[in-house]
Amino acid sequence: NAGVTQTPKFRVLKTGQSMTLLCAQDMNHEYMYWYRQDPGMGLRLIHYSVGEGTTAKGEVPDGYNVSRLKKQNFLLGLESAAPSQTSVYFCASSYSRGRPDSAKNIQYFGAGTRLSVL
Amino acid sequence: GEDVEQSLFLSVREGDSSVINCTYTDSSSTYLYWYKQEPGAGLQLLTYIFSNMDMKQDQRLTVLLNKKDKHLSLRIADTQTGDSAIYFCAETPLSGGYQKVTFGIGTKLQVIP
Repeated sequence: NAGVTQTPKFRVLKTGQSMTLLCAQDMNHEYMYWYRQDPGMGLRLIHYSVGEGTTAKGEVPDGYNVSRLKKQNFLLGLESAAPSQTSVYFCASSYSRGRPDSAKNIQYFGAGTRLSVL
Repeated sequence: GEDVEQSLFLSVREGDSSVINCTYTDSSSTYLYWYKQEPGAGLQLLTYIFSNMDMKQDQRLTVLLNKKDKHLSLRIADTQTGDSAIYFCAETPLSGGYQKVTFGIGTKLQVIP
């Protein structure tokens, strides 16, 4: 029962470096999301995808890019990391056609990636 | 736009009941959720309620919805130290296709042994 898997779990970057966070889900979900979680600010949506090959901006998309080339994977890229991007990043997925929880838009979360940008 | 508000912190003694409160602004039919986040982990759905319901009970958890005041509460009976976590209230409108889920800021529950 893997669910939503995020890699890596931890990462330290220097300012200006790039990296890609990988999210994989095995529940045949149509929708996938990237959030960041910062103290006192809750969860903020960065980008999301409603299907393979589609992406859309969330609340805080600047400095991030995403790709959904395969239905089960959603990648989050930081082209030039900044200290303001130090955060915990969560991937989530939802909605599988025909499943009873589909209409309720229940999101299933990964365990998170802790990123520090020095 | 939609907004979900919660208090930041709640402290209770082990064995007591905990009540975590949430208010939301969406006036349409909606699903309302409670998620739990344990330290170092992602969010996990605890329970949800549809806006045409007043109450939902699941073992030690009771969800109460006051639709008129747009107030949602989560009551945890016989609170245990394992209930220490951050609890997020969230809502999404009932509608076809993709709909945004709006999360509250999270309430940190501290259970004192």
